[in-house]
Parts: sequence; structure tokens; C-alpha cells
Amino acid sequence: EVQLLESGGGLVQPGVSLRLSCAASGFTFSSYAMSWVRQAPGKGLEWVSSISLTGGRTYYGNSVQGRFTISRDNSRNTVDLQMDSLRVEDTALYYCAKGRRIGWSDDAFDSWGPGTMVTVSS
Amino acid sequence: EIVLTQSPATLSLSPGERATLSCRTSQSVSSHLAWYQQKPGQAPRLIIYDASNRATGIPARFSGSGSGADFTLTISSLEPEDFAVYYCQQRTTWPLTFGGGTKVEIK
Repeated sequence: EVQLLESGGGLVQPGVSLRLSCAASGFTFSSYAMSWVRQAPGKGLEWVSSISLTGGRTYYGNSVQGRFTISRDNSRNTVDLQMDSLRVEDTALYYCAKGRRIGWSDDAFDSWGPGTMVTVSS
Repeated sequence: EIVLTQSPATLSLSPGERATLSCRTSQSVSSHLAWYQQKPGQAPRLIIYDASNRATGIPARFSGSGSGADFTLTISSLEPEDFAVYYCQQRTTWPLTFGGGTKVEIK
């Protein structure tokens, strides 16, 4: 059974950094692209970032480009999201999601974690 | 970026009725469109991928159709557990984008 578990969320002030982590199990982690998707309170889904199998290719949404960095460790089955220069508008529940097909970076997300909440407020 | 517009924003129906949800994209995404279901307090769940393919474990009452820039998710006969918010998502071009969602509520 695929399991994804996010951690690292919390309450932070604007301008600071935070690092989220997602621990994966139940599948061959190194064969799938991984992504982060967020959802502001009461709002819809927003894709944040994706990373290819080896980590050689990374992709970012316009609103986080240059501030967030995605990375993965295939030996530990984890994918991280380093979030710098946080803004109030980054407040959201952050989901880790698995790509549907082996090897594809751009694909639907067939498994999701329960999410970790990030609140940016002064 | 490709903008996805979902309509209606809210659909009020009774169990047993047919639900028809629309997703229009600002440019062609071929068949690279997915649908997700999200219930309150839960993570989204993949329902349909590549416009018309049901994901694993999804009942046959869910079907997807369309290509290019016009897509439809149909629930043939609503069950109580189908009342939720549905999102479409395109994977043709980076950045990946989601629609704003359609809430299917009990009438």
C-alpha cells in the first residue's frame, strides 16, 4: 500500500524559511516523479513543484519560483520542499503527491499524503 | 499558463440523479486532463486520468470525456458518498494547473 506522510509544517513569521519533508513507502520510490500541491484554507488546489526520478529536473509554480526548492533522496525515500522568504499568501495545507506512471514527470497524481499545515503570520 | 475554468461552481442534486461537470481550458491540452474528488478534511483522490480513464478502484458510474479544450466528468447516478468537490487538472504544459473546483451538494 502506498503511503505518503508529510512533516515539517508550523507557524512562522513572514520572511523566514521552513523545510517540509515527505516520507514515502509501499512503492519503488526511485521510479516515480514526486510533487507538492498546496491548498489555502477554504480554497482550491494549487500545484507547487515537481521533481523527476533522479532529481535532475525540477519544476515550479510561478508563485514560488525562486523561493522554493524541491529535492529528493532516493536512498531514504523522501522528498523535501525548502521554502524560503515565506509570505502570508504561502499559508496552506501542503500535500505530497506521487505521479501515476513510472518515469513520467508530468502526470496525474494517484496518491496523496494527508498534508502538513504551514501558517505564515506575524 | 493554461487556465482551467470549471462550471458550475456548485451543483445541487439528489441521490440517484446524474451529475455533469464541465472543465474548459484556455488552450488545448489534448487528452492530458485529470479529475480529482475531495471530501472535507481529506486529501484529493484521483478519479479520471487522461480525460477518460478511470483510476484504480473508481466505480463505473464515473466517466470522463472530451479532448482539446472542453471536458466533462459525468456521474451517472449519484451515491451519498459522491457529494464532494471535484477538480480538473492539466498536465500538458508547465506549470501544471488546476481548475477552481465544482462542489456537488445534496439538494
